[in-house]
Amino acid sequence: DTGVSQNPRHKITKRGQNVTFRCDPISEHNRLYWYRQTLGQGPEFLTYFQNEAQLEKSRLLSDRFSAERPKGSFSTLEIQRTEQGDSAMYLCASSLGLAGGQEETQYFGPGTRLLVL
Amino acid sequence: GESVGLHLPTLSVQEGDNSIINCAYSNSASDYFIWYKQESGKGPQFIIDIRSNMDKRQGQRVTVLLNKTVKHLSLQIAATQPGDSAVYFCAENRNTGNQFYFGTGTSLTVIP
Repeated sequence: DTGVSQNPRHKITKRGQNVTFRCDPISEHNRLYWYRQTLGQGPEFLTYFQNEAQLEKSRLLSDRFSAERPKGSFSTLEIQRTEQGDSAMYLCASSLGLAGGQEETQYFGPGTRLLVL
Repeated sequence: GESVGLHLPTLSVQEGDNSIINCAYSNSASDYFIWYKQESGKGPQFIIDIRSNMDKRQGQRVTVLLNKTVKHLSLQIAATQPGDSAVYFCAENRNTGNQFYFGTGTSLTVIP
């Protein structure tokens, strides 16, 4: 399978704990995105990387959230001191973007479902 | 069957009928649109896309129509099948960055 993969698929944690999610994009894709989706809503943008550079961050991304893409391939999203309101599906997407070019199709992974107790 | 997206988030159709799912987008500068299908517990799956220099694009059993004058997008599914049952989202790229903005979604149920 050469699509976007995410691990773990499910995570249950207690309030106040830290969690980390991993995303492996489609191998030739240079752009990687994190979205959050709550029940009954569409995905909401969190942050975006072009190669290893984090170029955009949403106001939804509080200082408890941090994302990295150290080698321009896989990415991690860490949530510190989790709160019950963090419970959601965390989706990763990737695309192949050319410098100065149009935005290209974003392909999504299966998501990591987080439940904070 | 036909939905109007945010106003009718649920659409039920008989197997074999055509489905029309509608989406109103908000930004006149948006220049790229994607329809995604999301099944329960899975990530959004790309169905079809369209750029603002087009008003119609066809895929296998699906057609997307774009009306920039009224900022309206629709997804037509021909001969709807039970496997088409899912939530459908339209996503717009507002040409101000690389992120996509998603609508609330429409839940399509196909009745065998």
